[in-house]
Amino acid sequence: SQQGEEDPQALSIQEGENATMNCSYKTSINNLQWYRQNSGRGLVHLILIRSNEREKHSGRLRVTLDTSKKSSSLLITASRAADTASYFCATDARTGFQKLVFGTGTRLLVSP
Amino acid sequence: DTEVTQTPKHLVMGMTNKKSLKCEQHMGHRAMYWYKQKAKKPPELMFVYSYEKLSINESVPSRFSPECPNSSLLNLHLHALQPEDSALYLCASSQKSGGAGNEQFFGPGTRLTVL
Repeated sequence: SQQGEEDPQALSIQEGENATMNCSYKTSINNLQWYRQNSGRGLVHLILIRSNEREKHSGRLRVTLDTSKKSSSLLITASRAADTASYFCATDARTGFQKLVFGTGTRLLVSP
Repeated sequence: DTEVTQTPKHLVMGMTNKKSLKCEQHMGHRAMYWYKQKAKKPPELMFVYSYEKLSINESVPSRFSPECPNSSLLNLHLHALQPEDSALYLCASSQKSGGAGNEQFFGPGTRLTVL
């Protein structure tokens, strides 16, 4: 399976703390994306990092990509209760250019 | 308009029923997708339409039949479903398929229950 793995599967933190999620994938990629999903709803695109980029920022989000290790991390700084959601990485594999393959996801709970 | 809409939000159907899920976007996107998502699992790709033509069918059973009437609309026709088909069905669109333009915009989903 091409599916990526994410860890941790679940993460529980307090408001104001930072949250780090990791994603590992199996194939060469064009880019890697992170999505957020609130319970039972659609996914929201957060950030895209290309295979030739190593780090990218967007507001409180910081994404890193290490293509040699086939891994990425998502850091959410100064978390808020509203950040409570599931977070998925998704890879756009070079061999299946039309497809996004989603990782297993990390469920983040931010307590007030 | 940066929204993908899906109807209905919830659907309960028997195994002998025929129903359709609808998806619409007005962002001028040329790629549209159907995903199936079970609880606490990632979305699984079912179909990809690119420029209104079916380009990927991920070995989905024939009881699911996609249709793309025009560049803004995507339907999923359902017939003779099984209880294990109960899931959240997500529609998405992207500017194009593949490469850097592949950020996908998702609809809120249709929660399907098959009795």
